[in-house]
Amino acid sequence: EVQLVESGGGLVQPGGSLRLSCAASGFTFSNYWMHWVRQAPGKGLVWVSLTSGDGSSTTYADSVKGRFTISRDNAKNTLYLQMNSLRAEDTAVYYCAKQFRYFDPFDYWGQGTLVTVSS
Amino acid sequence: EIVLTQSPGTLSLSPGERATLSCRASQSVSSSYLAWYQHKPGQAPRLLIYGASSRATGIPDRFSGSGSGTDFTLTISRLEPEDFAVYYCQQYGSSPYTFGQGTKLEIK
Repeated sequence: EVQLVESGGGLVQPGGSLRLSCAASGFTFSNYWMHWVRQAPGKGLVWVSLTSGDGSSTTYADSVKGRFTISRDNAKNTLYLQMNSLRAEDTAVYYCAKQFRYFDPFDYWGQGTLVTVSS
Repeated sequence: EIVLTQSPGTLSLSPGERATLSCRASQSVSSSYLAWYQHKPGQAPRLLIYGASSRATGIPDRFSGSGSGTDFTLTISRLEPEDFAVYYCQQYGSSPYTFGQGTKLEIK
């Protein structure tokens, strides 16, 4: 059974940092592109970042470029999102999602972890 | 960036009725790289349709997708109680990937 389990969310002050994790199981993790998508309270889904299967290719939404870093450890079947210089507008539920190839949909998602940026 | 606009914002229908949801793109979506997701509160989003019209594994045949270019439609032929949720379209043909703002399907 495919599982994606996010963790690491919580309350952080503006300007602070947080690292999210997404533990994967039930599929060959290194074969899949992985994404982070977020949903601010009462808002829709917004794509944040992607990484290729081997981690050599990464892309970011303009809103997080230079502040967030996506990475993965294929030996641990885990995806990460390092979030620095956090702002109130980064408050959201963060989901990880998997994608078989670049031009494929996101075929499975985790249930998300909540990040709240507030003083 | 391709902007996706969904309509209506909210759709109020009764179980057994037919639902038609629209997604319009600001420019043509490459090779119909258009997906639909169902999202319920507190749950993971679920892939329903990809390639504009192909059902994902395990999705009931009451869900169907159509369209090409800039205009796409998700149809639910006969609503079941579990179908009431928020639906998002997404284009995955060009970076950055973008989502529509969602259509909330609520029980009338």
